[in-house]
Amino acid sequence: NAGVIQTPRHKVTGKGQEATLWCEPISGHSAVFWYRQTIVQGLEFLTYFRNQAPIDDSGMPKERFSAQMPNQSHSTLKIQSTQPQDSAVYLCASSLRGGDEQYFGPGTRLTVL
Amino acid sequence: GEQVEQLPSILRVQEGSSASINCTYENSASNYFPWYKQEPGENPKLIIDIRSNMERKQTQGLIVLLDKKAKRFSLHITDTQPGDSAMYFCAASAGTQVVGQLTFGSGTRLQVYA
Repeated sequence: NAGVIQTPRHKVTGKGQEATLWCEPISGHSAVFWYRQTIVQGLEFLTYFRNQAPIDDSGMPKERFSAQMPNQSHSTLKIQSTQPQDSAVYLCASSLRGGDEQYFGPGTRLTVL
Repeated sequence: GEQVEQLPSILRVQEGSSASINCTYENSASNYFPWYKQEPGENPKLIIDIRSNMERKQTQGLIVLLDKKAKRFSLHITDTQPGDSAMYFCAASAGTQVVGQLTFGSGTRLQVYA
């Protein structure tokens, strides 16, 4: 079991550029969560899929952020027109059903210059 | 939504002693309370959790207590070792059918010194 896989591990973008982050959940897990971690804000929930359907995106900034789960083996988080305040570690987690134990991937460290 | 308060933010204990971290939550519908350990540069790792049908759970030197009435839960690390030094996060989640996302506390930096 490879655990949750996230790519890339590090990404540097210029202000205004687009960033796409990838997550591969643990095989057989039906729920995928995206979180963001910064020193100031801590760990914040962004969005959540169950069986590929979006369940709750209440943590997503309304503009520029979008997430998809086109199939059961991967999810993407896209940030358009990145801003310096988007700099953070973006963590993906998966769980068997949602409401169960969540296992985190290694994260993608996004730096917006 | 849910709010989770975690204290203390920094905890220094001597090797071999116990360490306790406390969290409170607001949403009475919260029913799942995991604890994560995060070492520098690493992802958060689940170390123990408790559900609302339990008041106490223990595993490998870790004890979690849950007081639903007070909306309070705590982590107790017995016989601390240098390897226990890390950030610890508590979290709360409400429900398994509708809402599953975790609301995290702000974290506790545990430092175990010799």
